[in-house]
Amino acid sequence: EIVLTQSPGTLSLSPGERATLSCRASQSVGGNYLVWYQQKPGQAPRVLIYGASSRATGIPDRFSGSGSGTDFTLTISRLEPEDFAVYYCQQHGNSYTFGQGTKLEIK
Amino acid sequence: QLQLQESGPGLVKPSETLSLTCTVSGGSISGSSYYWGWIRQPPGKKLEWIGSLYYGGSTYYNPSLKSRGTMSVDTSRNQFSLKLSSVTAADTAVYYCARHLGSGSADTFDIWGQGTMVTVSS
Repeated sequence: EIVLTQSPGTLSLSPGERATLSCRASQSVGGNYLVWYQQKPGQAPRVLIYGASSRATGIPDRFSGSGSGTDFTLTISRLEPEDFAVYYCQQHGNSYTFGQGTKLEIK
Repeated sequence: QLQLQESGPGLVKPSETLSLTCTVSGGSISGSSYYWGWIRQPPGKKLEWIGSLYYGGSTYYNPSLKSRGTMSVDTSRNQFSLKLSSVTAADTAVYYCARHLGSGSADTFDIWGQGTMVTVSS
């Protein structure tokens, strides 16, 4: 099983700042099949990024993904109030596994 | 617009079988090449994929379930179901049903149900 480790566990930032979230895999993710989701309280997750760097339909361009192999990054260029949520990475190169999440909170 | 809705008991006794159904509306389970999956999230913990099925009957499961899971589809009702046997407190979680492509770089869980909380307790 590919284990995904996200860091930091919690990130405290202010609106307008830049957020950088990390996802590290225990082994190389085949095809760079890495997805980023956003989850708000009481809601199901929403796809932001797939294929490590492709934005899903309707996702603002302030969200970007990068990385390959075992190291992946989600960047939010300028935080909006609605961006404060929990973010999960997920791989589907070998079965399906999720990271433990990064909580992005307002500073 | 496609929507998914989970249903089932919110409380299950230890050692019994958890049964959940996902009803698909706004589209047909059998009218597309999508897979239909179950994902759960224990309180305060990360998401865990349980398994997925295709309307034609093929299924695949997370090996961590150790053969406790069984999924099925009812195309006449546009529903798919999950049964998880011999449950313990560790199976307490919010259970989601979701749609995904099953292969390729865009194989994301793109449409989810709202989730249903299942507690395992006597």
